[in-house]
Amino acid sequence: NAGVTQTPKFRVLKTGQSMTLLCAQDMNHEYMYWYRQDPGMGLRLIHYSVGEGTTAKGEVPDGYNVSRLKKQNFLLGLESAAPSQTSVYFCASSYSGQGRNSPLHFGNGTRLTVT
Amino acid sequence: GDSVTQMEGPVTLSEEAFLTINCTYTATGYPSLFWYVQYPGEGLQLLLKATKADDKGSNKGFEATYRKETTSFHLEKGSVQVSDSAVYFCALGGSYIPTFGRGTSLIVHP
Repeated sequence: NAGVTQTPKFRVLKTGQSMTLLCAQDMNHEYMYWYRQDPGMGLRLIHYSVGEGTTAKGEVPDGYNVSRLKKQNFLLGLESAAPSQTSVYFCASSYSGQGRNSPLHFGNGTRLTVT
Repeated sequence: GDSVTQMEGPVTLSEEAFLTINCTYTATGYPSLFWYVQYPGEGLQLLLKATKADDKGSNKGFEATYRKETTSFHLEKGSVQVSDSAVYFCALGGSYIPTFGRGTSLIVHP
């Protein structure tokens, strides 16, 4: 049982390059999330999805785009990377059926450096 | 809106010491409360949860009680180990989006 899998684990980009981070979950969860984690800032929500084909903005969406074409996958795109996007990115998913009782399941993160 | 306030770290303890990490919250309705743990180089994982007032969540020797009257969910452990060194996050359940505290780093020395 893989849970939430993020690829790649590490990436170094030059300013202006683009990339896509992939998140896959095998728990049939409806809700999926992308967070970034920076020292002293805790977790900040970038975008989220409440079901296949839906996406919504979180707290810090600028510079990122997302897609949820299949229920099990949630993609995070950086069209033109900037040094301010150097961070650790976490994907998470949760089961909608428990409402506010549902815990999140996290991947192990993607460590992105933009030079 | 909903919010979670955790004590700032790092919290530094010797092995076998008693641990308390404070968490207070502001919320509408009756959300579940969670503690997550993040070990170095890993994602967050659920440590324990409580779904209603006076519930006690427990796991791996950690406990926390949902106190509605004081809007608190403090994390405790009677005797910490070096392997408990990690970052601990308190969180409120949300209908779509949970609310996380900023995390408290725990360092346990042998």
